Amino acid sequence: NAGVTQTPKFRVLKTGQSMTLLCAQDMNHEYMYWYRQDPGMGLRLIHYSVGEGTTAKGEVPDGYNVSRLKKQNFLLGLESAAPSQTSVYFCASSPYRSSYNEQFFGPGTRLTVL
Amino acid sequence: DAKTTQPNSMESNEEEPVHLPCNHSTISGTDYIHWYRQLPSQGPEYVIHGLTSNVNNRMASLAIAEDRKSSTLILHRATLRDAAVYYCILRSANAGKSTFGDGTTLTVKP
Repeated sequence: NAGVTQTPKFRVLKTGQSMTLLCAQDMNHEYMYWYRQDPGMGLRLIHYSVGEGTTAKGEVPDGYNVSRLKKQNFLLGLESAAPSQTSVYFCASSPYRSSYNEQFFGPGTRLTVL
Repeated sequence: DAKTTQPNSMESNEEEPVHLPCNHSTISGTDYIHWYRQLPSQGPEYVIHGLTSNVNNRMASLAIAEDRKSSTLILHRATLRDAAVYYCILRSANAGKSTFGDGTTLTVKP
């Protein structure tokens, strides 16, 4: 199993550009999550999904959109990138409720917005 | 929302036990206590979790206070590879309530 993979690993955008980050998991997990991590800080939840076709807002959803058209994929979109969105983005998945299940994290995508 | 408080940093000597504390005084009855660690330039990695009773696995032990307002992650013999940021997190039934604090940076000295 590859576990959780993220594409791309690195990206540099100019202010106002758009992009989509792809997260894929091959563990048949129901729940998927997108986090951001700013330098020297912990992770903050952006959006999450409890199943195919469903998404919900997390702690810091503004400026991002998500889609879960297939169970194994969770996409994070930035419609108009801003320098404040410079961060490392992590995707995670869990079998069911994260309260009593571990989360499996991807390796991260480092995004710089100029 | 229930929050956790951890020391910013701790140091340990190699092959000695390490006790990483976490305070969560506003924990609710259905919150699970999770610990993750993050090595440099990597995604977080699950360590252990528990609800009320102490827990052991191959990586660590988790000691939970009787009132559940605090917990301690115990690494029995620290190695250089255990140097990481350790996060104590409360997980509720609401998947959206999933907040990582700033964690404890553990330094292991040879």
